[in-house]
Amino acid sequence: GAGVSQSPRYKVAKRGQDVALRCDPISGHVSLFWYQQALGQGPEFLTYFQNEAQLDKSGLPSDRFFAERPEGSVSTLKIQRTQQEDSAVYLCASSLWAFYEQYFGPGTRLTVT
Amino acid sequence: EDKVVQSPLSLVVHEGDTVTLNCSYEVTNFRSLLWYKQEKKAPTFLFMLTSSGIEKKSGRLSSILDKKELFSILNITATQTGDSAIYLCAVEAGQGGSEKLVFGKGTKLTVNP
Repeated sequence: GAGVSQSPRYKVAKRGQDVALRCDPISGHVSLFWYQQALGQGPEFLTYFQNEAQLDKSGLPSDRFFAERPEGSVSTLKIQRTQQEDSAVYLCASSLWAFYEQYFGPGTRLTVT
Repeated sequence: EDKVVQSPLSLVVHEGDTVTLNCSYEVTNFRSLLWYKQEKKAPTFLFMLTSSGIEKKSGRLSSILDKKELFSILNITATQTGDSAIYLCAVEAGQGGSEKLVFGKGTKLTVNP
């Protein structure tokens, strides 16, 4: 595709529900990243994949957060038992290879009520 | 702890003015510094800087990096209302093979007609 796409664009979940957020990177991009952006803040790193390998998950805030990229293309970020503090925009980015510029998707705005 | 600080946090100017946005950083294993423009959606890539003293230019936007003093500036000349956005500075801290970006909080630029 022309750019990084994410779905859904908006998600409202009741506290305690599980959610799954999808990212389709730019075709051929090896590296994929997830970031969390709270209102009025810059994006904060969550996790990073190179192909299907998750090389860094140091930013995941708790074990309720899980990400996968099983075939080295599409990625899913799953949040179990959502809490109000999980409300944020979740951004996905991809880059062609290591240390190339990252291109961002439009984000998924998650609201936990 | 890796840190990126942007200033000012917000700025209001009139069309035609020139603005300078600042970004200072303290990170281990610096690899590159990137500037992004964020309107309502995805951050869009502007520049990637790796070497000190070499100006990158794109139209009315330009940026330069000083690796000795650990800062970068983004200049916008002859501002237009379409330049109104949040400008994000990020540093790629390549520790342990990770390519994660560490972001500042952004500078919110408002250009009035």
